[in-house]
Parts: sequence; C-alpha cells; structure tokens
Amino acid sequence: SQQGEEDPQALSIQEGENATMNCSYKTSINNLQWYRQNSGRGLVHLILIRSNEREKHSGRLRVTLDTSKKSSSLLITASRAADTASYFCATDASNYGQNFVFGPGTRLSVLP
Amino acid sequence: ETGVTQSPTHLIKTRGQQVTLRCSSQSGHNTVSWYQQALGQGPQFIFQYYREEENGRGNFPPRFSGLQFPNYSSELNVNALELDDSALYLCASSLAGQNNQPQHFGDGTRLSIL
Repeated sequence: SQQGEEDPQALSIQEGENATMNCSYKTSINNLQWYRQNSGRGLVHLILIRSNEREKHSGRLRVTLDTSKKSSSLLITASRAADTASYFCATDASNYGQNFVFGPGTRLSVLP
Repeated sequence: ETGVTQSPTHLIKTRGQQVTLRCSSQSGHNTVSWYQQALGQGPQFIFQYYREEENGRGNFPPRFSGLQFPNYSSELNVNALELDDSALYLCASSLAGQNNQPQHFGDGTRLSIL
C-alpha cells in the first residue's frame, strides 16, 4: 500500500481561486516533500518540510505538517493557469525502514 | 549550473530484450535515484546510488540493476523486459546520501515494450 496518498485525486478550479491538496502517510517520517509535474516532464521540487516543522511558506505556496495525524497539506493561493499540473507528496522514512515514497498525486486543473 | 539529463528520451523494445538508460546528475550532486512512473501513477523508487554503491532499493526484482560512475553519472539496466516495464523512467540527483535534500529530476526516458 502507498506510504503517501494525496487527496483529492483531481481538482478543477478557476484562476484566482486557492487550491488545497492533502497528503496522508502511514509511518513515522524524517521529512516530507512536495513536487510538481507538468505533463510528460520530470518532477520539480516545491517545498521540503522536516518532521519537527509545522508550516513552511514559499511564494504562493504554504505547506503544513501534522505528524500526530500523519498528514500534510499544500495550499496554492491565487492560482494561475500555469499551476495546472500533477502534485505529489513524497515521504522520507529511511530511518524507519522505508525508502523515499511518492503518493499517486493530485491532478490540478486551473481554468482561465 | 547543468541540470539532470537523461538519454534516450524515448525507446521502444520488445519482450525479453535488455535496455540501458543513462543519467547525468546535476553538477555538484553525488547521489542518484531512479524511479519508475507508470501512466497516471506516482513515481516508484527503484534504487539509489551514493559514492558508486547502492544505497537503498525499492521493491523491484534483480533484473533491475544499476551503476554509478566516478563522475556520479548513472545507468539503469533492465534485463528480460516485460510488458509491465512500459513506463517513464526518471532519474533524480541530490546532495549527500540522505533524503533530507531536494531531489532534482530529469525529464525521463519513456520506455515502451511491445
């Protein structure tokens, strides 16, 4: 079974709206990372949040981490058509017997 | 700064054949990880190389093997290809042998098995 699972699987919003994606995982982790993937391309790193951190910001991105609930969320504010992509969370649990694990992703469509 | 490059970009093979995929890591990075991404799925970790040694392996059979060279570039070899091996193969490089650093991905090799 997946270590990380994103929710929802797909999300469609209008330009200017906020988009929130959630990630749940099963084991203890060292850190959690969010990546974006445009169709047919490689993944682009967005934010890394360590297990002792609760919130991080980068531009229009805000990531939270709740280790008690084993969950994270990615918020994209004031979305743009260029934000259309798949978003993945990836957990590093290498100190707990698991390798770097990606979830199945959320496919975000931002409509102009 | 040179990013991660992978070759070839596309490849078509038949069942039973062998394939070698290549990856040049980002300059300054000494760790390379390989992933298999089936259509509509997240990347699945195959293995990681650090200082020319395997430094972690996912749930893939031994016919998936790899190498890392002194210049930190890497190869992924797959023997006895099966139809289910059709996927996008991604290479990612990072600093150090730990997963507490961002990974920088290439655009992948699209492998199709007929």
